[in-house]
Amino acid sequence: KAGVTQTPRYLIKTRGQQVTLSCSPISGHRSVSWYQQTPGQGLQFLFEYFSETQRNKGNFPGRFSGRQFSNSRSEMNVSTLELGDSALYLCASKPGAGPDYGYTFGSGTRLTVV
Amino acid sequence: AQSVSQHNHHVILSEAASLELGCNYSYGGTVNLFWYVQYPGQHLQLLLKYFSGDPLVKGIKGFEAEFIKSKFSFNLRKPSVQWSDTAEYFCAVNAVNAGNMLTFGGGTRLMVKP
Repeated sequence: KAGVTQTPRYLIKTRGQQVTLSCSPISGHRSVSWYQQTPGQGLQFLFEYFSETQRNKGNFPGRFSGRQFSNSRSEMNVSTLELGDSALYLCASKPGAGPDYGYTFGSGTRLTVV
Repeated sequence: AQSVSQHNHHVILSEAASLELGCNYSYGGTVNLFWYVQYPGQHLQLLLKYFSGDPLVKGIKGFEAEFIKSKFSFNLRKPSVQWSDTAEYFCAVNAVNAGNMLTFGGGTRLMVKP
């Protein structure tokens, strides 16, 4: 069973640009969440999606957005990139919307903003 | 909002030593609790989880954790560590009434000397 797939693995962007990151959840998983991991702030919640609906959003500026498609694949977008957006962005999926599952995480996309 | 504290940022042990990593959270309501591990160069993996029932939960690779509600704690233990346990360990909390958002602790880097 394939795991959570995130593309691309590495990305270098310039300040002011925008970026789109992609996540394919485990087959059959309908709940997808995104997290940002940095050395200073640790792991911070970005968004949660279920059945194409955003159920929860973390404390990030509006430059961070996301969506989920009907096949449960998800994308997140960051516009007007800042140096501080450099981080490992992790996607996680689980079967349903209920709390009684543990998330399976992908390997992440490492974004570097220069 | 909930928060999670992991008191030990770095732990160094010799093989066969016993391990206990502390995790405390602040949230007055019902929670689900998790321990994740991140081996060098790998993605986050679920070690164990607590939702309800027996407060002593057993996970993979010989790890266990005990939920003590009165102390808001969920400490991770292993009787005898191996060199292969070298990794970063993250405690995470999900407040049941707050969707599926995970709040992570800052992580504990464990180094096991052979």
